[in-house]
Amino acid sequence: NAGVTQTPKFRVLKTGQSMTLLCAQDMNHEYMYWYRQDPGMGLRLIHYSVGEGTTAKGEVPDGYNVSRLKKQNFLLGLESAAPSQTSVYFCATIRTPTNTGELFFGEGSRLTVL
Amino acid sequence: QKEVEQDPGPLSVPEGAIVSLNCTYSNSAFQYFMWYRQYSRKGPELLMYTYSSGNKEDGRFTAQVDKSSKYISLFIRDSQPSDSATYLCAMSGGDSSYKLIFGSGTRLLVRP
Repeated sequence: NAGVTQTPKFRVLKTGQSMTLLCAQDMNHEYMYWYRQDPGMGLRLIHYSVGEGTTAKGEVPDGYNVSRLKKQNFLLGLESAAPSQTSVYFCATIRTPTNTGELFFGEGSRLTVL
Repeated sequence: QKEVEQDPGPLSVPEGAIVSLNCTYSNSAFQYFMWYRQYSRKGPELLMYTYSSGNKEDGRFTAQVDKSSKYISLFIRDSQPSDSATYLCAMSGGDSSYKLIFGSGTRLLVRP
């Protein structure tokens, strides 16, 4: 099993370009999350989903959109990229948040916006 | 003020030392407390999980939660160079039971 797979792993964008990050999981988990990680800031929640067809805003949602059309996929979109969105993006999933608390993370997607 | 505060380090110790990593938090509703370990250019992995107050031990690792002080700790005994990583505390509970709130992470270097 692959677990949580993120594509692409690296991407360089110019300001104003758009792109989509794909997160795919094969663990049949209900909850999926998109975090960004920046030096000194830790992991900050962008958007999350508690099930197929649902999405909700996290701590830093501005400039991002998400969709969860299929249970196994969670897409993160940047409509008009800005240099402030240069970061490492992590997707994570959890079966139910209130037992062991084990989030399963992908390997990360490194995005640079010039 | 952040909900979860964690000293970013870096913390450099010799092999075999006892390491103490700490986080403080402000939300008294947090009930679930976790420590994740993150190696360079990898995603975080769960290391320890504790529910409510108390201690939990797993091999060389001990997690402590003091809810009265809003303070959690991770102790690593007989530290090894392979323990060199960034350690992130995380917590959830109350209205945020399905959202983990992370600390900024402490970078640990264990010197051979």
